[in-house]
Amino acid sequence: DAGVIQSPRHEVTEMGQEVTLRCKPISGHNSLFWYRQTMMRGLELLIYFNNNVPIDDSGMPEDRFSAKMPNASFSTLKIQPSEPRDSAVYFCASSSTTGRQYFGPGTRLLVL
Amino acid sequence: AQSVTQLDSHVSVSEGTPVLLRCNYSSSYSPSLFWYVQHPNKGLQLLLKYTSAATLVKGINGFEAEFKKSETSFHLTKPSAHMSDAAEYFCVVSDRGGADGLTFGKGTHLIIQP
Repeated sequence: DAGVIQSPRHEVTEMGQEVTLRCKPISGHNSLFWYRQTMMRGLELLIYFNNNVPIDDSGMPEDRFSAKMPNASFSTLKIQPSEPRDSAVYFCASSSTTGRQYFGPGTRLLVL
Repeated sequence: AQSVTQLDSHVSVSEGTPVLLRCNYSSSYSPSLFWYVQHPNKGLQLLLKYTSAATLVKGINGFEAEFKKSETSFHLTKPSAHMSDAAEYFCVVSDRGGADGLTFGKGTHLIIQP
């Protein structure tokens, strides 16, 4: 199994631009999670989906952030417009009914 | 609400000596507790998981952790540190076995001295 796949691995953009992060969960997993890691706040849950339906988005920082899961094999996290304080590593994770979460390698985002 | 407190931001030990990384948790339910490791510029790897079975949990790479409800602790230990253990370690709690998202501690940076 290829594990959780995230793209791009690195993204550098300018303030105000739209950023789209992508995630492909492990096949057969029914839950998908987006996390953000920063020096100041550590690792935080942003949003998670169960069977493609958003269950808890209380961690999403503000309206500039949105996430979608159009099907069981793909999810996006979009930031529009981006700001320098959005610079972080964004992780996607997926899990089956066992609850164990498998993490992707992360996307390192730098907003200038 | 659930939370974890990792009591040390940095721990330094000599190679071959024991490792102790401390974690206290708070949870309204019978929690599931995890330890994850993150090597530099890498993703997160599960070391071990506690889900109300045996209180002493054995994980990968010689690590183990003991769940102590009376102390609300879940400390991570290893008898003998190896240079490859140098990494960031996260104590994590979930009220539903991980199904509802994970709450991470701030992390402990483990330094191994040669």
